[in-house]
Amino acid sequence: KAGVTQTPRYLIKTRGQQVTLSCSPISGHRSVSWYQQTPGQGLQFLFEYFSETQRNKGNFPGRFSGRQFSNSRSEMNVSTLELGDSALYLCASSLEAGRGGEKLFFGSGTQLSVL
Amino acid sequence: DAKTTQPTSMDCAEGRAANLPCNHSTISGNEYVYWYRQIHSQGPQYIIHGLKNNETNEMASLIITEDRKSSTLILPHATLRDTAVYYCIVRVLRQAGTALIFGKGTTLSVSS
Repeated sequence: KAGVTQTPRYLIKTRGQQVTLSCSPISGHRSVSWYQQTPGQGLQFLFEYFSETQRNKGNFPGRFSGRQFSNSRSEMNVSTLELGDSALYLCASSLEAGRGGEKLFFGSGTQLSVL
Repeated sequence: DAKTTQPTSMDCAEGRAANLPCNHSTISGNEYVYWYRQIHSQGPQYIIHGLKNNETNEMASLIITEDRKSSTLILPHATLRDTAVYYCIVRVLRQAGTALIFGKGTTLSVSS
């Protein structure tokens, strides 16, 4: 069974641009969550989606948004990019969106560099 | 949100057991403890998780204290490939869903 697939693997953008990152969960998984990893802040929660609905959102500005499609694939968008948005963006999927007992599997991430 | 505290780094000899401690004194009764590890800039790899009882799988064992304020991840026979950053995480209940709250992790170095 294929794992969580994130595309693209690397991305270079300039300040002020916007970017869209894609995540395809493991087949049959219906819950997708996103995390940002930077050297200074570590891994931080961005959003969680289940059945095309955002279930909760982390403490990030409105420039960060996301969505989930009916096939469970998810995208996140960052508008008006800032230098501080340079990070590894990770997606994780799980079978269901229960209240804590499921395994979450991460993709390899998209490394975003903002120049 | 429940936070975790881990040693910054640990060393282990190859073939020996690696015992990685974690404190999570503010954990709520229905929040799970998860362990992941990360090698270089790859995505975190799931190791094990638990709520109250001790757990064991093919990779590791998880020992959770009775008061749930701390836990220990045990890698029974560490190999060089186990060198990684290990994260002890509480999966918090938030709004309508959940979120993994990562700490800074423990860098485990396994040497021959």
